[in-house]
Amino acid sequence: DAMVIQNPRYQVTQFGKPVTLSCSQTLNHNVMYWYQQKSSQAPKLLFHYYDKDFNNEADTPDNFQSRRPNTSFCFLDIRSPGLGDAAMYLCATSRGGTSYNEQFFGPGTRLTVL
Amino acid sequence: AQTVTQSQPEMSVQEAETVTLSCTYDTSESDYYLFWYKQPPSRQMILVIRQEAYKQQNATENRFSVNFQKAAKSFSLKISDSQLGDAAMYFCAYRTNFGNEKLTFGTGTRLTIIP
Repeated sequence: DAMVIQNPRYQVTQFGKPVTLSCSQTLNHNVMYWYQQKSSQAPKLLFHYYDKDFNNEADTPDNFQSRRPNTSFCFLDIRSPGLGDAAMYLCATSRGGTSYNEQFFGPGTRLTVL
Repeated sequence: AQTVTQSQPEMSVQEAETVTLSCTYDTSESDYYLFWYKQPPSRQMILVIRQEAYKQQNATENRFSVNFQKAAKSFSLKISDSQLGDAAMYFCAYRTNFGNEKLTFGTGTRLTIIP
């Protein structure tokens, strides 16, 4: 089945130690998103790629970076994780450029910062 | 900027009964999409139903239907014949139809199904 895959499902890191979360998709969608979801809160968009074009949200901290080496993969890099960055990170994809484009979500990576 | 409000943090319903989840939004746009997403515990978020703002007819997907009131900026979700598998967090979301790919989510409603 075509899907959005996130690895790892659970990630533990230390305060200040860089961490990378990965997302891959078999849907061949041209748009990929990263959301941060803290406990009992709505998902918050960090940034998205439309093809190779990177679109950062205005309030996304500089500590968060992203890479998309090809259509299938997208990475979220947290350069110096703080305790406040502990959250579920959701990757999603969509087929952009159409009048309606459903977003398909991965299962998420739960990040713990010690 | 658009905002989405879900005023019910938690709801519960007896199995086989009907429940309605509320959502209101604020926008100055006339053309947009509204969605309800379901996020089961420890599982990925999936789309339940969507509504295009220019369509007056309320969307329906099997046991799920919406009551879309454009003038009131209200978009509620009705779940009929509730099943145990409906237990989840439900998020209402808004998307503009003007090139921005962004979804704006509400804070969610946790739905519990009582056997």
